[in-house]
Amino acid sequence: KNEVEQSPQNLTAQEGEFITINCSYSVGISALHWLQQHPGGGIVSLFMLSSGKKKHGRLIATINIQEKHSSLHITASHPRDSAVYICAVHGGTSYGKLTFGQGTILTVHP
Amino acid sequence: NAGVTQTPKFQVLKTGQSMTLQCAQDMNHEYMSWYRQDPGMGLRLIHYSVGAGITDQGEVPNGYNVSRSTTEDFPLRLLSAAPSQTSVYFCASSYQGGIAVEAFFGQGTRLTVV
Repeated sequence: KNEVEQSPQNLTAQEGEFITINCSYSVGISALHWLQQHPGGGIVSLFMLSSGKKKHGRLIATINIQEKHSSLHITASHPRDSAVYICAVHGGTSYGKLTFGQGTILTVHP
Repeated sequence: NAGVTQTPKFQVLKTGQSMTLQCAQDMNHEYMSWYRQDPGMGLRLIHYSVGAGITDQGEVPNGYNVSRSTTEDFPLRLLSAAPSQTSVYFCASSYQGGIAVEAFFGQGTRLTVV
């Protein structure tokens, strides 16, 4: 079993829909990252969380440390949101390694 | 601009050739790491470093070598390229003063070994 599991693996939505991507992890962590990768593109950090909730524009990320679970929400989705969204965690030890989920492929149709 | 600079962006090698992928960051991050990204496999850790002079293996280290002589630079060496090393490679950095911070990634290197 992977240390970081994402669901769903693939997600298709219509423009304007509310989207949720989930991430569960099985190890102690010091921080969790949500990353975005467009096709053929680089990897960009969206959020880093160690507790609570963060919001940036239409994106919201939450984390529940006790349940070892995080969610990424996209409100009013747009075709430009189509990308792979990756959850990654830093291990809980000092300078813990960064471990990645498999990614969620999001396609938003106009 | 602050960030991670990774070069080259594309490379084609013949089997048996060697090369070095360069990675540099100017944010004084302690943690630097190399990953390969293959279809259906996600990002897998090759090697990582938590400071100058300190390196360690990840989950797929065979065929790769690293060194960290300065805080800024973390090159990845392919000793004798094999077709199985055809992949997209990313360098990343994080941790400042021992605290996890936003992770920064290089632009990626698309490597083809023929």
